[in-house]
Amino acid sequence: GAVVSQHPSRVICKSGTSVKIECRSLDFQATTMFWYRQFPKQSLMLMATSNEGSKATYEQGVEKDKFLINHASLTLSTLTVTSAHPEDSSFYICSAGGTSGGVDTQYFGPGTRLTVL
Amino acid sequence: GENVEQHPSTLSVQEGDSAVIKCTYSDSASNYFPWYKQELGKRPQLIIDIRSNVGEKKDQRIAVTLNKTAKHFSLHITETQPEDSAVYFCAATQGAAYKYIFGTGTRLKVLA
Repeated sequence: GAVVSQHPSRVICKSGTSVKIECRSLDFQATTMFWYRQFPKQSLMLMATSNEGSKATYEQGVEKDKFLINHASLTLSTLTVTSAHPEDSSFYICSAGGTSGGVDTQYFGPGTRLTVL
Repeated sequence: GENVEQHPSTLSVQEGDSAVIKCTYSDSASNYFPWYKQELGKRPQLIIDIRSNVGEKKDQRIAVTLNKTAKHFSLHITETQPEDSAVYFCAATQGAAYKYIFGTGTRLKVLA
């Protein structure tokens, strides 16, 4: 299957700082990338849909100014959590859909565990 | 809004027995239904999927069935093994937007 990487795998930061998470599709071009957050023992909640070269589409209740998404190329999308607070601590996972496996198949990155102190 | 219901939330089976997980979706435009397996702290891994023009698909010990009329789809795992223990998520596409709506997950425990 298609390979998606995510960096960093875990990050610990102080309250008020910003954290950038990168998501890369390694062996295919991803026209669309998705960002999810997952709390312990819960399902994946879609935060936003990111299309290369255009603004991200955010789900209801997700603050676009807090969770900045940039999809600069067909292989890279970034999520920046601005002014992070303890309640932003979560597991953030990206996925990529594209030419490999059909556009409606999403392949997930390994996730980033964010802990805000 | 559109949603996907998944049952049961937890499931314990003896090694060698079968496990069945059921999902119901609400969006009649959904046309693709993947199943993911997620181990603790790891990424969700696609294990099988089915498109709306197919009623059943099988891959070794894993099968998925789809009833479009009833908006049900199910995951069947036969001859379960301890390494099948994980959380399983079903998903359905939301219309033609390629977005997934995930079910709430089923924690499967296979007892040796």
